[in-house]
Amino acid sequence: AQSVAQPEDQVNVAEGNPLTVKCTYSVSGNPYLFWYVQYPNRGLQFLLKYITGDNLVKGSYGFEAEFNKSQTSFHLKKPSALVSDSALYFCAVRDGYTGFQKLVFGTGTRLLVSP
Amino acid sequence: NAGVTQTPKFRVLKTGQSMTLLCAQDMNHEYMYWYRQDPGMGLRLIHYSVGEGTTAKGEVPDGYNVSRLKKQNFLLGLESAAPSQTSVYFCASSYPGQYEQYFGPGTRLTVT
Repeated sequence: AQSVAQPEDQVNVAEGNPLTVKCTYSVSGNPYLFWYVQYPNRGLQFLLKYITGDNLVKGSYGFEAEFNKSQTSFHLKKPSALVSDSALYFCAVRDGYTGFQKLVFGTGTRLLVSP
Repeated sequence: NAGVTQTPKFRVLKTGQSMTLLCAQDMNHEYMYWYRQDPGMGLRLIHYSVGEGTTAKGEVPDGYNVSRLKKQNFLLGLESAAPSQTSVYFCASSYPGQYEQYFGPGTRLTVT
């Protein structure tokens, strides 16, 4: 079965510093990978996806993610963190090859950006 | 557009009571989903629907029923609530062939 792992429950970073939120995956076949963000008391919002092509994927709010096939990783990055980036971040992978596109989510990583 | 809306936002039930959570979307999406979110467990799929009149089980369907009588609405029912169903419930929708899912704001349910 497809799965993703987010090894860090929480990441702390100072405003202005670069941030990385880690995700590793386990899939059969080509991976379809996603990042979502959840702000307090809100639903999840789509940030970016990797389907195929360039290993560096750019998304919303200045975030990007690097797909690394050899390390089976899909880490979320941002060059300069903002306090407003503080939220819960979920990595997800498509479950299944064809037909209905279910997503399998990781357990989430809380990002805290301090002023 | 309102996107995906959920009612109610909060609810407290006693064990054994029943309730229905309503999800509505105005984006003409074919696919709709119900998830539950629990601390340390991420989101788990309860049931989903690929179109009006169709439903299917997800990862954790026991204790829940769903209906999709209209394309824009997806109802989640708890026939006899249990404390283990205390959670935050999210509805989502998407287009076929697009993997981005659009989420509602959630319903926080407590079963005592």
